[in-house]
Amino acid sequence: GEDVEQSLFLSVREGDSSVINCTYTDSSSTYLYWYKQEPGAGLQLLTYIFSNMDMKQDQRLTVLLNKKDKHLSLRIADTQTGDSAIYFCAERKYNFNKFYFGSGTKLNVKP
Amino acid sequence: NAGVTQTPKFQVLKTGQSMTLQCAQDMNHEYMSWYRQDPGMGLRLIHYSVGAGITDQGEVPNGYNVSRSTTEDFPLRLLSAAPSQTSVYFCASTAGQGNYGYTFGSGTRLTVV
Repeated sequence: GEDVEQSLFLSVREGDSSVINCTYTDSSSTYLYWYKQEPGAGLQLLTYIFSNMDMKQDQRLTVLLNKKDKHLSLRIADTQTGDSAIYFCAERKYNFNKFYFGSGTKLNVKP
Repeated sequence: NAGVTQTPKFQVLKTGQSMTLQCAQDMNHEYMSWYRQDPGMGLRLIHYSVGAGITDQGEVPNGYNVSRSTTEDFPLRLLSAAPSQTSVYFCASTAGQGNYGYTFGSGTRLTVV
């Protein structure tokens, strides 16, 4: 199926690291994405990882992919109050242009 | 570039009314999709298109129609609005195969009373 699952909430203190987790079920996924949604706005692409990679780092963001367990995570280093938002993971199937999104994780960063 | 433009941003409809949500992109993207976002349910795909003249159904197509007469435009029509269609609607586009993610519009918040 196309189930993509995330926990609904995460709360961290400013300056700590945040880790947002996602599991997916379809091993044919080619690309996995992380999107950020701020209140009242659309989704903004943060980063992506190809399914044959284990890790990708982009400034404060680190994406880890465990293909065996179908587990994806997004680590935000030195989390700031501006990082407070809803984070969605999404998978894209090979030769297909449907994206399947998780339900989103609401990150709350306390000062 | 404007990216993906959705209009209107807000709309209130009465049950049974029809309306069209507009979506336009200026990036020459082949693929366009409509999603609805409901609390705790993430984004659910309504309809999508892989090019002008080609559309297909997603997970929740009932009560909605689409057409793709040009590459740029992908309107979503609500045929007879129902309270269950109260939601935030997002249009998105992507260039095609490969690592391209979706570019999203800013959304239309629809309330059906």
